[in-house]
Amino acid sequence: DQQVKQNSPSLSVQEGRISILNCDYTNSMFDYFLWYKKYPAEGPTFLISISSIKDKNEDGRFTVFLNKSAKHLSLHIVPSQPGDSAVYFCAASAGGQNFVFGPGTRLSVLP
Amino acid sequence: GAGVSQTPSNKVTEKGKYVELRCDPISGHTALYWYRQSLGQGPEFLIYFQGTGAADDSGLPNDRFFAVRPEGSVSTLKIQRTERGDSAVYLCASSQIAGGDTQYFGPGTRLTVL
Repeated sequence: DQQVKQNSPSLSVQEGRISILNCDYTNSMFDYFLWYKKYPAEGPTFLISISSIKDKNEDGRFTVFLNKSAKHLSLHIVPSQPGDSAVYFCAASAGGQNFVFGPGTRLSVLP
Repeated sequence: GAGVSQTPSNKVTEKGKYVELRCDPISGHTALYWYRQSLGQGPEFLIYFQGTGAADDSGLPNDRFFAVRPEGSVSTLKIQRTERGDSAVYLCASSQIAGGDTQYFGPGTRLTVL
């Protein structure tokens, strides 16, 4: 039973356009969410986080939106760049300790 | 500054053997986490340490898996009687404190059990 789901295994976007990566969760106790980016043969790199007291957090080209009633969050990247091509993981925790990761979405930004 | 390092980067072993995987966290980080990532999946939580003690080991799949952090810095994940299903990338992460803080990941150790 996956508590964190990323239903799109892959996504292709044209350079300069917006990338939208989606994540759904089932555990209503989750109160802290993160997005990580992973390149091949490297560990995941932290991108951006959001706590359940907010519905939006922005950092440069990256914005995370949280819809608690729908148990859904999304990561927007705009404008998308070829260097953004990677696997993106959504992660969630209840109390910020034991993080549950989704299976990831592979983003390809086409030049 | 130095990030999280893990050794070895690759480990090939035979079924039934014992392996140790090492993690050097970022200096000063008190929390250390172990995850396992299988092909096509996200990282799966195994255990986390706050200082020297295992604060949560609920993700360890069975008693063949054990981890230590005797001095509150370096940690070793130990797997006894390895099975083919243990083959995965084992990731280590550290954070300054536990609880909502950003986790910094190492590059992982790819374990292959033949």
